Amino acid sequence: GQNIDQPTEMTATEGAIVQINCTYQTSGFNGLFWYQQHAGEAPTFLSYNVLDGLEEKGRFSSFLSRSKGYSYLLLKELQMKDSASYLCAVSGAYSGAGSYQLTFGKGTKLSVIP
Amino acid sequence: GAVVSQHPSWVICKSGTSVKIECRSLDFQATTMFWYRQFPKQSLMLMATSNEGSKATYEQGVEKDKFLINHASLTLSTLTVTSAHPEDSSFYICSAHGHRGLYIQYFGAGTRLSVL
Repeated sequence: GQNIDQPTEMTATEGAIVQINCTYQTSGFNGLFWYQQHAGEAPTFLSYNVLDGLEEKGRFSSFLSRSKGYSYLLLKELQMKDSASYLCAVSGAYSGAGSYQLTFGKGTKLSVIP
Repeated sequence: GAVVSQHPSWVICKSGTSVKIECRSLDFQATTMFWYRQFPKQSLMLMATSNEGSKATYEQGVEKDKFLINHASLTLSTLTVTSAHPEDSSFYICSAHGHRGLYIQYFGAGTRLSVL
């Protein structure tokens, strides 16, 4: 089965750093994704980790430990526009044509306050 | 990044009618498209996976006769909700994958369906 856990809500201050954790237990693993989703909008791709370690991309970084089934998304220099839901998703079952299905966590709603 | 267009963005319909939602990949060929449903404060739930030119694969619990999926070309997939009922009201989102080796899914803007 697939199980992905992440905190429901978090609040952080503008300019600060916040870490959103994700733990997973899945029957297959071909990488872990983080997506950002503003209310009423579609998710937008943030990062992809398939090997252990830290991937840095501007203000956002993502970490993966496959042995621990654990990932985190690190957001630095928080801005008000970063207020959104952050979805952790694991790529697992093969869908055909070179693609894999994603299983999503419920998302972490981040509120950035002044 | 790749662009996926989905429309309509919002539709209101009467119970018993059918609604068609279109998903287009604008700047790449989508070999695989996915359809998700998202209820308020819930995760995206995969409904079905469609590979171009073949029948869609539906997830357990999703009625294939109710949610008709067509993926006739590499740039277009459609989801038709047949005989919609109020319980079908939800946010429907498509995604497309077409970049071999990257596994990244690019999402459409979503369609909010309200069935009266």
